[in-house]
Order: sequence, then C-alpha cells, then structure tokens
Amino acid sequence: DQQVKQNSPSLSVQEGRISILNCDYTNSMFDYFLWYKKYPAEGPTFLISISSIKDKNEDGRFTVFLNKSAKHLSLHIVPSQPGDSAVYFCAAIEAGSSNTGKLIFGQGTTLQVKP
Amino acid sequence: NAGVTQTPKFRVLKTGQSMTLLCAQDMNHEYMYWYRQDPGMGLRLIHYSVGEGTTAKGEVPDGYNVSRLKKQNFLLGLESAAPSQTSVYFCASFEGGPYNEQFFGPGTRLTVL
Repeated sequence: DQQVKQNSPSLSVQEGRISILNCDYTNSMFDYFLWYKKYPAEGPTFLISISSIKDKNEDGRFTVFLNKSAKHLSLHIVPSQPGDSAVYFCAAIEAGSSNTGKLIFGQGTTLQVKP
Repeated sequence: NAGVTQTPKFRVLKTGQSMTLLCAQDMNHEYMYWYRQDPGMGLRLIHYSVGEGTTAKGEVPDGYNVSRLKKQNFLLGLESAAPSQTSVYFCASFEGGPYNEQFFGPGTRLTVL
C-alpha cells in the first residue's frame, strides 16, 4: 500500500518555464512533508519542506504547496534551469514519529529541463 | 566534515555470498537508516537505529541484518545474497526532533548474479 504517490514518473520542461511536480498521500496522520532531489550516482539531498500547519513554503526558486483537504502537495520550480534536471522524491513523516524519524517516500519523478 | 559516507561504492556478488555494507557519519546523529532504491519503487526503509546499540525493522527487512555498535557507524549485512537484492543502497542519518531532515550517503550499487 503506497501511502505517498508520485503518479508522474517523468516531466520535461523548457528552461525558464515553471516545473510543477505533484505528490499525493493517503495517511491523514502525516504532518511534515519534504522534497529531496537526487542526481545520478549521488545520494538524495534535502530541498525544501513544509509543516502541515502551513499551506505554502518558499525558498528562492522553489515553493511547496500543501492542500491538506485534498491530501496533495506540489513543488513549483520557477524559473526552471538545466541544473534542476534530477529525480525528485516527495517524503512524509507521521505525527508522533519524532522518536523514529521514519520517512515514507514516493516513487520519484524525473525532471528534465531542456535548454 | 564528510557527512555520511558509505563503503563500498560498487559490489558484485554471486548468489549465496555474504557481504557487509558500512555507513559512517560524523555529525553525531542519533538516528541512522538503511534504504534500498529500486526503479519505480522510490526509497524503501530496510532497517533503522534510534541510537547506539539499538536496531529496528523497517518496511523491507527480510534477508538483511544490521548492527550499530558505535554511534557513528551502521552496518548492513547480507548473509546469503539473492538476485532480488540487486539494488542501490543508501544510508542516512538524522539528528532527531521535529522539522529536521535526513542526510544521505552517496549510495552503494550492489549486483547479485
């Protein structure tokens, strides 16, 4: 049972345009969400996060939106750059899991930004 | 400050062979994790540790064992490797508390023939 789903395996956008990566979840106990970015042959690196008490968090070109009623979050990258080409993973942590720190990951979306 | 390191980077095993993957972190984090990444499956938690001397099962623990004898190290063992264990393995560490993120190592690519 996939609690965190990224239904688009891949996304291709033109440099300078907006990239929107989507993530859906089923567990209403999730209260913190993270996006990780992964380049080939490297480990995932943290990109941005959002707490369930917020509906938006912004960091430079990256903004994450959370719609709790729809159990949906999205990552917006504006403007997209070729260096953003990577696999993006959505992850969630359940309320009360601070004693384990366990993350539940989605399947990942491969973003290609074309020059 | 090296962060999270993993040894080895690549390994090829024959079915039935055993091996140990080593993860080391220099951030004094209490929590450590082992994940595997397979195409279309994302990262799945194998085992984790919430402190020195502790281990617990994750989502896909079968066929693996772990040990956390020292706070900075987390070992993942395969006693009898199977082709289904061909994967990329990532270690991560976490300092604990709310609103923090896990830090990942560069990964180990394992092929079991």
